[in-house]
Amino acid sequence: GQNIDQPTEMTATEGAIVQINCTYQTSGFNGLFWYQQHAGEAPTFLSYNVLDGLEEKGRFSSFLSRSKGYSYLLLKELQMKDSASYLCAGGFMNTGFQKLVFGTGTRLLVSP
Amino acid sequence: DTEVTQTPKHLVMGMTNKKSLKCEQHMGHRAMYWYKQKAKKPPELMFVYSYEKLSINESVPSRFSPECPNSSLLNLHLHALQPEDSALYLCASSQEAGGGREQYFGPGTRLTVT
Repeated sequence: GQNIDQPTEMTATEGAIVQINCTYQTSGFNGLFWYQQHAGEAPTFLSYNVLDGLEEKGRFSSFLSRSKGYSYLLLKELQMKDSASYLCAGGFMNTGFQKLVFGTGTRLLVSP
Repeated sequence: DTEVTQTPKHLVMGMTNKKSLKCEQHMGHRAMYWYKQKAKKPPELMFVYSYEKLSINESVPSRFSPECPNSSLLNLHLHALQPEDSALYLCASSQEAGGGREQYFGPGTRLTVT
């Protein structure tokens, strides 16, 4: 299987830091994507990790450990507009083509 | 320009109707995808097109029929749908269908089958 697991819901305060964890099964794994999805809207691409380590993009950073089947998305200096669902997606190869398998998403609620 | 457009935004159809969803991108991407997303669930892959050829079909019922007329367009033809097919249908594209390519999603078509 290609199960992707992440917490269902998290809450945090404006200005704080929050870490959203994601675990996946490593068979056929090719890379880890994070997407943000506001209610009723399409997912938007945030980050991609293929090698172990931390990738930083402004207020957002993403980490990957391939050996542990583990990733996290770190959001700093939280803003109200960061309230959204955050989708962890594993890239898995299928007959030479990449499939994205999404986790159930973590709904983040940022309060004042 | 990282825009994927989809029409219509909303669609209500009866179980005997035939309708089509349309998707367009002008980023020069050679891979296009259809996903289905039910409420409070993640997107689920339906089809992958690579260089206008159907490359992955995730065992989707034949009442959903994809078509890729050219590298910029992707259609999803719908016929004899069931109420449980009501969902948000998302189109996405990526530079290619190989590993490591991020996918850009359109705003989706919200489909209701009555």
